[in-house]
Parts: sequence; structure tokens; C-alpha cells
Amino acid sequence: DAGVIQSPRHEVTEMGQEVTLRCKPISGHNSLFWYRQTMMRGLELLIYFNNNVPIDDSGMPEDRFSAKMPNASFSTLKIQPSEPRDSAVYFCASSFHLNYGYTFGSGTRLTVV
Amino acid sequence: QQQVKQSPQSLIVQKGGISIINCAYENTAFDYFPWYQQFPGKGPALLIAIRPDVSEKKEGRFTISFNKSAKQFSLHIMDSQPGDSATYFCAASMETSGSRLTFGEGTQLTVNP
Repeated sequence: DAGVIQSPRHEVTEMGQEVTLRCKPISGHNSLFWYRQTMMRGLELLIYFNNNVPIDDSGMPEDRFSAKMPNASFSTLKIQPSEPRDSAVYFCASSFHLNYGYTFGSGTRLTVV
Repeated sequence: QQQVKQSPQSLIVQKGGISIINCAYENTAFDYFPWYQQFPGKGPALLIAIRPDVSEKKEGRFTISFNKSAKQFSLHIMDSQPGDSATYFCAASMETSGSRLTFGEGTQLTVNP
């Protein structure tokens, strides 16, 4: 298995633009998590899905953030409009169980200028 | 009650020394305690984990010590090597009730040659 695949690896965009981050979880995993990592705030959980259903989106910072999981093999995190303070590394993780065995992707480094 | 407090925020150790990172939790229902290791440019990866039925678990140079009464657990890295330089996250979850992992704030470890 290729692990959790995230794209793009790096994204530089201008303030106000729409950004879409993509994630392909490990086949067979039924839980998917989106995290944001910054020096100031560490690793923050944004939202997670179980069996493609959003379970908890309380970590989504604002309405500008949205996430979807249309099927078991694909998820997106969208920021519209993007702002400089959204600059961070965004990680997707998947797991067969909700509470252990998380496998993280390599992340998307987002820079909003 | 869902928080996991991690210390120190950063740690510098000489090669061959012992690195010790501590975590404390409040929720006594937590029953699964993993440690994740993150290298620059990569996502966190599971390093070692413990369940509260044992007080210590060792895998190579890495040992988790668990103190149930104090609600604390720690990671010990014996004979620390420059290749161990990374960010370490502790985490906790309620495996029996299927709750998601809660991560600590992270510790940036630097092992000097």
C-alpha cells in the first residue's frame, strides 16, 4: 500500500483565492482525519469522518473551511477565501479504528500571500 | 478532560544521553497511550504505544513508562542519537468506547553529536 496520499505537497496562493487540498486514505480504512500544524498551535484536529460521514467538525476554524468525503477513497479540504493566517501544513490521516492506528500522509504545506 | 499536557516543549540532549518527555492526562477513561514521531517534512508516525494494564513497555531504545495513579506517562529514549532528532507527540484515547485520539502539544527533540 502506498500509504495516505496527499496532494499537492506544496501550494502557494494569493489571499482571497480558493484552495483545495486532497487526500486518498489507505484502502480499507474507515476513519479519516484532517489536521493543521503550525508552530504556534501545534497539531490541531479540524474534522474527522467515519464511514464517509463527518462526525466532528468543531475544529474547523471558520465557515471559510469545508471538507467532504464523497467516497471511501477520497476527501477534500477546501478554504474559500484563503487568508495569510491559513498558512500551515495540513495533514490527512486515516485509520481502521477511530481511536488508534492512525497513518498520516506527508502533508500539504500551504502558503497564502 | 480531553486534554493531554506534554512537556517540555523542546529538549536538547547530547549523543548517548537519555531523552525524557512527559505527558499528563485528566480523563481516567483513557486506555490507550501512543507516542508518535515526526521528522521534518513528514507526517507523524506511530512509534510505540502502551495500554494501562502494564507499567512499562520497551521497544529497542524506546521505553514508555506509565503511572496510572498519577495519570502520567513518559517516553524515554536511551542512548539518544542525532537521528532521533524529531518532534514527538504523546496521545491518548478511550479504546473501549471508540473515541478519537487526543494529541499533546509536541516536543521538539534535538540530539547533538
